[in-house]
Amino acid sequence: GQQVMQIPQYQHVQEGEDFTTYCNSSTTLSNIQWYKQRPGGHPVFLIQLVKSGEVKKQKRLTFQFGEAKKNSSLHITATQTTDVGTYFCAGRLYYKLVFGAGTILRVKS
Amino acid sequence: GAVVSQHPSWVICKSGTSVKIECRSLDFQATTMFWYRQFPKQSLMLMATSNEGSKATYEQGVEKDKFLINHASLTLSTLTVTSAHPEDSSFYICSARDFDRAPLHFGNGTRLTVT
Repeated sequence: GQQVMQIPQYQHVQEGEDFTTYCNSSTTLSNIQWYKQRPGGHPVFLIQLVKSGEVKKQKRLTFQFGEAKKNSSLHITATQTTDVGTYFCAGRLYYKLVFGAGTILRVKS
Repeated sequence: GAVVSQHPSWVICKSGTSVKIECRSLDFQATTMFWYRQFPKQSLMLMATSNEGSKATYEQGVEKDKFLINHASLTLSTLTVTSAHPEDSSFYICSARDFDRAPLHFGNGTRLTVT
């Protein structure tokens, strides 16, 4: 069954507002990766976090990996219409990558 | 950047027939390829892990005799849906990586419709 929980399932924001999606695992993860899937497209790799407490930034996106390596978050500052899509976290459990359910982001202009 | 080509992008077949989906890594050698199934507005469900030259490892609940996986070379893995039924209709996506712990590179996916 699902071992990486991701919330919220869906978020609809006004352009310019911030957005955050969270992932939690009951098991310590070796690393966590984040992917973005545009409507009708395939997942595209965004970033990988490996170290406990790691924080990485990509322009308006901020990624965090928890101290216990069991949770992670993706925060988008001042969303734009180009940010629409589904954001998936994927936690490394042993040899495989387990995906969260994804958060669908819609941005109203 | 790394490119994974998946073919066909869509296929419609009749119930009872078999469909083969190809996944190729174009500019790197993929020691491991993964096959996922995605239902509308849902996450990617790992079906199986394919290692070059060895048998695929299937996830619990995935019928290995129905979803045949062959990883004949470091650049090619195939998924064959045998005796397809309408409930097999879905979006199938492959992914590949060139070394352990590397990020995954996804194919464009195959939309399978079984009538």
